Amino acid sequence: AQSVAQPEDQVNVAEGNPLTVKCTYSVSGNPYLFWYVQYPNRGLQFLLKYITGDNLVKGSYGFEAEFNKSQTSFHLKKPSALVSDSALYFCAVREGTNAGKSTFGDGTTLTVKP
Amino acid sequence: GAVVSQHPSWVICKSGTSVKIECRSLDFQATTMFWYRQFPKQSLMLMATSNEGSKATYEQGVEKDKFLINHASLTLSTLTVTSAHPEDSSFYICSARRASEETQYFGPGTRLLVL
Repeated sequence: AQSVAQPEDQVNVAEGNPLTVKCTYSVSGNPYLFWYVQYPNRGLQFLLKYITGDNLVKGSYGFEAEFNKSQTSFHLKKPSALVSDSALYFCAVREGTNAGKSTFGDGTTLTVKP
Repeated sequence: GAVVSQHPSWVICKSGTSVKIECRSLDFQATTMFWYRQFPKQSLMLMATSNEGSKATYEQGVEKDKFLINHASLTLSTLTVTSAHPEDSSFYICSARRASEETQYFGPGTRLLVL
């Protein structure tokens, strides 16, 4: 079985400050990890993924995430937040050998205040 | 590349009618498509997974006779909500994945309101 947890429903940061959105996962094999962002009344947009290779993954809009196998985490980060980053963020995991579905976290609402 | 469209973007219908939602991968072939339902301020609830030319695999608790899914081609999947009721009102999102890639690409969603 695979699962993913986003422990924070809400993250608030000031514009220009660094942001972190947390994600931990559980899979029985090698994890494929993803971050998506959702703006109001829209579908999800892909931000970045970890499949293999470097633990630090860089994605769209200046976001990055670090795969930490020992802590089973894949936290999303950005050095300097923008007001336009305010949105709902989803972490997802899929076992590498599983050709089927991904499991999504419950989502974290990020609010960046000017 | 990897654009997924959904039509309609929103629909209002009367209770008891059926509604069809189309999901298209515009610039790639989607061997697998997924249908999700999302309630306000909640996560995605996977309804079913479909592979082109095969019957959809429904998640536990999802009525396959109510939510008919057809994945007739590598670029089109449809979700038909049959005999819709007000409790079916929700935001429905599809996503598509191609055989050579792990990433799912999502459509913009369809807002369904059943009166």
